[in-house]
Amino acid sequence: NAGVTQTPKFQVLKTGQSMTLQCAQDMNHNSMYWYRQDPGMGLRLIYYSASEGTTDKGEVPNGYNVSRLNKREFSLRLESAAPSQTSVYFCATSRKEFDTEAFFGQGTRLTVV
Amino acid sequence: GDSVTQMEGPVTLSEEAFLTINCTYTATGYPSLFWYVQYPGEGLQLLLKATKADDKGSNKGFEATYRKETTSFHLEKGSVQVSDSAVYFCALSASGNYGQNFVFGPGTRLSVLP
Repeated sequence: NAGVTQTPKFQVLKTGQSMTLQCAQDMNHNSMYWYRQDPGMGLRLIYYSASEGTTDKGEVPNGYNVSRLNKREFSLRLESAAPSQTSVYFCATSRKEFDTEAFFGQGTRLTVV
Repeated sequence: GDSVTQMEGPVTLSEEAFLTINCTYTATGYPSLFWYVQYPGEGLQLLLKATKADDKGSNKGFEATYRKETTSFHLEKGSVQVSDSAVYFCALSASGNYGQNFVFGPGTRLSVLP
């Protein structure tokens, strides 16, 4: 079982370049999330999708867009990368019920120079 | 809004020492509580959880009890091993501005020395 798969694992971008981070899950979960992890700040929610066809902004959405392509896939796009977007990005999934845990991908380490 | 506070690290212990990592939360309503562990270069893995007051979550020798009266969920282990070296995150799950969401503390880095 793959669980939650993120691609790529590492990426270096120049300021102003664009890229899409991919996330796919085989857990049949409805909810999917994108977080960024920065030192000393824990994980902060960028965007959230409660189900196929719906997306909502999280705590730090500026500079990002998302697409919930189908139930399995949830992509995060940086249209014009900035050094402040240097971070580790995690995709996560969960069932809808509030007492269930989130399952995480292995992360994408992004550096914007 | 909902928030999680946990003790700042890093925490350095000798093998077989007792571990406590403090976690307190602020939430409207009754969240579920979680501890996640992150090993170097990996994503977060669920360590244990508790879904209602007085529940005790346990796994791999780690324990935490959901204390509603003190809004706490402290992580403990009686005898740590070198392999426990990792970053530990306390988190809660609640319905809020972002639907059903997970809110994480800043993480505590634990180093266990042989």
